Amino acid sequence: AQKVTQAQTEISVVEKEDVTLDCVYETRDTTYYLFWYKQPPSGELVFLIRRNSFDEQNEISGRYSWNFQKSTSSFNFTITASQVVDSAVYFCALSEPSSNTGKLIFGQGTTLQVKP
Amino acid sequence: EPEVTQTPSHQVTQMGQEVILRCVPISNHLYFYWYRQILGQKVEFLVSFYNNEISEKSEIFDDQFSVERPDGSNFTLKIRSTKLEDSAMYFCASSRDRGSSNYEQYFGPGTRLTVT
Repeated sequence: AQKVTQAQTEISVVEKEDVTLDCVYETRDTTYYLFWYKQPPSGELVFLIRRNSFDEQNEISGRYSWNFQKSTSSFNFTITASQVVDSAVYFCALSEPSSNTGKLIFGQGTTLQVKP
Repeated sequence: EPEVTQTPSHQVTQMGQEVILRCVPISNHLYFYWYRQILGQKVEFLVSFYNNEISEKSEIFDDQFSVERPDGSNFTLKIRSTKLEDSAMYFCASSRDRGSSNYEQYFGPGTRLTVT
């Protein structure tokens, strides 16, 4: 069965520190999609990235980078030089085409607090 | 940029009352979803809707819930007789497809439902 685990419930860092948010997933599909969403205190879900299972290239977008390791079923998210505005809950999610619906399975979320 | 909209942003209702949460998905999207997030918890899939019918529903989506696409633009979630435990943030989402290299699910800002 599909499952997403974000073992880190809360992380607290000081501004300018680097921080990595872990995500481990379980799926029986060979093709799947992984996502990261940010949920700031205002409550909306902000899409950050989608990664296709057949594309293992890591991605960097500004201060954000993602490390996809198929061998360990992990899709970790690193924020470099964190800022107070990065404070939010971050969710990792999985979608399996075999489900025929495209639904997203979310992890429990990691609350990141960046202190000035 | 097109976006998913939801109304109302906050709904307060008494236990046992019926509520209808409204969503306007992105206009050329074909797949529609409702998710629920109880305060402090993860985002949970409720139901997916395609081609004017439910394509999948979770265990949470019992007989008190229903969805409808009454016209070409709106997508509604009805809770027939609300319970205290229905208090949550309800997110609507839509996507153009359900599994491709460009697959992405767009979320609305959410409706916070408070049942008293």
